[in-house]
Amino acid sequence: EVLLQQSGPELVKPGASVKIPCKASGYTFTDYNMDWVKQSHGKSLEWIGDINPNNGGTIYNQKFKGKATLTVDKSSSTAYMELRSLTSEDTAVYYCARSKYGNPWFAYWGQGTLVTVSA
Amino acid sequence: DIQMNQSPSSLSASLGDTITITCHASQNINVWLSWYQQKPGNIPKLLIYKASNLHTGVPSRFSGSGSGTGFTLTISSLQPEDIATYYCQQGQSYPRTFGGGTKLEIK
Repeated sequence: EVLLQQSGPELVKPGASVKIPCKASGYTFTDYNMDWVKQSHGKSLEWIGDINPNNGGTIYNQKFKGKATLTVDKSSSTAYMELRSLTSEDTAVYYCARSKYGNPWFAYWGQGTLVTVSA
Repeated sequence: DIQMNQSPSSLSASLGDTITITCHASQNINVWLSWYQQKPGNIPKLLIYKASNLHTGVPSRFSGSGSGTGFTLTISSLQPEDIATYYCQQGQSYPRTFGGGTKLEIK
């Protein structure tokens, strides 16, 4: 069974950073890309970027360049997204989701991590 | 970036009805269009990929069609469990983009 396990909610102060893990299981980690998606409360979905766990190659939405950094740890089959210089605009649920080159849809999603930015 | 325009933004229908949601892409995306269902408090769930392919386990009352810039999601014989927000997403190019969502309510 494919599972993407994310960490629990985070409360962070403005200006701080947070690193969200997404641990994959049930498939070969390096066979699929990992994408990240933002959903602000009551809003639609925004694609942040994706990473190829095989070579660490990344593609970012220009809107999130400088805000988000995607990395992976192949030894633990875990993808990470670090968000920096957080503001209230970054308060949202962040999802990891699996995709594949040539299959640009998201059949598997993590449960989401709520990041709340507040003093 | 490719803009995805969904309509309507909200929809109220009766049980047993057939409803259609449309998604218009700002440029040609061939068949690289997916549909997702998100129930309140839940994660998005893939319904349709490549415009018309039903994802595993999705009931056959869901169907998708279209190519190029115009796409539709049809739900026939509406059920209570279909209450959700529906999103389209293009996979033609980066950045991936989603529609604004269609909130479906039961009358």
